[in-house]
Amino acid sequence: DQQVKQNSPSLSVQEGRISILNCDYTNSMFDYFLWYKKYPAEGPTFLISISSIKDKNEDGRFTVFLNKSAKHLSLHIVPSQPGDSAVYFCAASASTGGSYIPTFGRGTSLIVHP
Amino acid sequence: DTEVTQTPKHLVMGMTNKKSLKCEQHMGHRAMYWYKQKAKKPPELMFVYSYEKLSINESVPSRFSPECPNSSLLNLHLHALQPEDSALYLCASSHSEQGNQPQHFGDGTRLSIL
Repeated sequence: DQQVKQNSPSLSVQEGRISILNCDYTNSMFDYFLWYKKYPAEGPTFLISISSIKDKNEDGRFTVFLNKSAKHLSLHIVPSQPGDSAVYFCAASASTGGSYIPTFGRGTSLIVHP
Repeated sequence: DTEVTQTPKHLVMGMTNKKSLKCEQHMGHRAMYWYKQKAKKPPELMFVYSYEKLSINESVPSRFSPECPNSSLLNLHLHALQPEDSALYLCASSHSEQGNQPQHFGDGTRLSIL
């Protein structure tokens, strides 16, 4: 049973617009969430993270929002650029309870059109 | 350039061969990981080493044998693999095993079993 779900396998966005990637989780013990970006033929690269004590974390064009009651987080990229085209993985971990190693979602492939 | 280096980038081997995958990092990280990733799937954790000691083995078959010779190196010895073991093998490292430590991934070894 998947504890971290990314229900959209792909997303297509026009350059300059906002990209919103969604992630849902089921394990209420998760208290730290990370987003990774993966280009073809490369390993995942850490992008941004958020602790469960916050509901928003921003880093340049990237913002992650966390809704604990809904067990949902989202990654906003604005403005989107063609170089953002990649697979984005959501990951979650727990500081207690034995799930401190991140659990990954299946990923969402983002394509940003010029 | 990735800070975690994996060699080789590609490996084709027969089911009776013995080969090794290598991973190296010089960031002073004390936790190192092996993941297996199949197409359109998330990375699946195989092993975790913390301070050069094996701390997690996710019920991986014994035909995969990890080794951590020192704090910078992580090997994965392969023997008598099956065609279903064909996948991308990713190495990662982090400051510690704690879930709030982002992992740094290598670019992976693409393994094909004939």
